[in-house]
Amino acid sequence: DAGVIQSPRHEVTEMGQEVTLRCKPISGHDYLFWYRQTMMRGLELLIYFNNNVPIDDSGMPEDRFSAKMPNASFSTLKIQPSEPRDSAVYFCASSPFVYQETQYFGPGTRLLVL
Amino acid sequence: DAKTTQPPSMDCAEGRAANLPCNHSTISGNEYVYWYRQIHSQGPQYIIHGLKNNETNEMASLIITEDRKSSTLILPHATLRDTAVYYCIALNYGGSQGNLIFGKGTKLSVKP
Repeated sequence: DAGVIQSPRHEVTEMGQEVTLRCKPISGHDYLFWYRQTMMRGLELLIYFNNNVPIDDSGMPEDRFSAKMPNASFSTLKIQPSEPRDSAVYFCASSPFVYQETQYFGPGTRLLVL
Repeated sequence: DAKTTQPPSMDCAEGRAANLPCNHSTISGNEYVYWYRQIHSQGPQYIIHGLKNNETNEMASLIITEDRKSSTLILPHATLRDTAVYYCIALNYGGSQGNLIFGKGTKLSVKP
């Protein structure tokens, strides 16, 4: 398997623009997670899905952020409108187990909002 | 989930064993110890986990003290590619609700 795939790998946009990050989990995994990493706050869980259903979105910073998982092989994280403070590395991870602590991370999307 | 404490940084000579300590003095009986690492510019990578017995896999060994208040991750023959930030996480197996909390970890520098 190719592992968790994320696109784009790098994104530079201007404040106010819509940003869409994409993730393809490992085939057969039941859980999908979105994380954000910054120097100031470290690695934070934003939201996670179980069998395509959002389970916990308490980490989503505000209404400008939304995430969807229309099927088992695809998820998006959208920021609209984007702000400079959203600049970070966004990771997607997936887990094959009922107990989801063994997570496999993608390479991340490095987002810069100017 | 129990809080963990790790040294902020460590150095290790290439080819030698790297021993990374973690304190989790408030760990409860049903909490596991998980280790992840993050190599620069990559996503975190799962290494190993354990409850009370020592564990070994192709990447590392995990030694947990008998009272479970601390543990040590051992990389038996460190290479330059093992330079990374290592995270020790204590949490309930199956009860974490996805909440892997990554602290500041230990930045391991393997030097030639």
